[in-house]
Amino acid sequence: SSELTQDPAVSVALGQTVTITCQGDSLRSFYAGWYQQRPGQAPVLVFHGKNNRPSGIPDRFSGASSGNTASLTITAAQADDEAVYYCNTGDSLGNRVIFGGGTILTVL
Amino acid sequence: QVQLVQSGAEVRKPGASVKVSCKASGYTLTTYYMNWVRQAPGQRPEWMGMINPSGSTTRYAERLKGRITMTRDTSTSTFYMELRSLTSEDTAVYYCARRLQFGDPYYFDHWGQGTLVAVST
Repeated sequence: SSELTQDPAVSVALGQTVTITCQGDSLRSFYAGWYQQRPGQAPVLVFHGKNNRPSGIPDRFSGASSGNTASLTITAAQADDEAVYYCNTGDSLGNRVIFGGGTILTVL
Repeated sequence: QVQLVQSGAEVRKPGASVKVSCKASGYTLTTYYMNWVRQAPGQRPEWMGMINPSGSTTRYAERLKGRITMTRDTSTSTFYMELRSLTSEDTAVYYCARRLQFGDPYYFDHWGQGTLVAVST
């Protein structure tokens, strides 16, 4: 399957740790990217590849991958982390790019 | 700093075409791929295609082939995405998104602010 599947919603208590997962057969061959999207705004890349965090993204965001599952972990979650998180992946030539269905993160 | 500034919202009738622009600044255009991604209300982003740094090669999502054209004007540092034969299913926010210069070719590190395209009778 070329789909990427994410849990629709996850919640975390302020200051605690949360992990968001993304599953799909493509992830057995290719790493995932993770995007944060706040309401009415464009997505922001927060983590990508084996272990890459774009400049300006807090080190509270980290990623991992195993088999057909990629995960994004947010440690010491802040209220500002409330958003929808999307994973994506593609092929090695950039001819195909797919996104997961998104996970709504609520910080309690 | 890198900026991608898109054109304003558009309303079209079914069957019409739309052309969205994305003016880039703050980096060398000829060293980065540009992609277009759209997002229907409440839906996941959908990759539409990309244009290579020289503007000589484009790749389009299979379901849009035949209806979409991506171009670039180096004189104005502007990218364009034209979509034809619009239907209500094309109603979405359209984004230009710059691909990372290195690494896997599906990471987009800078995005435009988005352009709403509404298709309605």
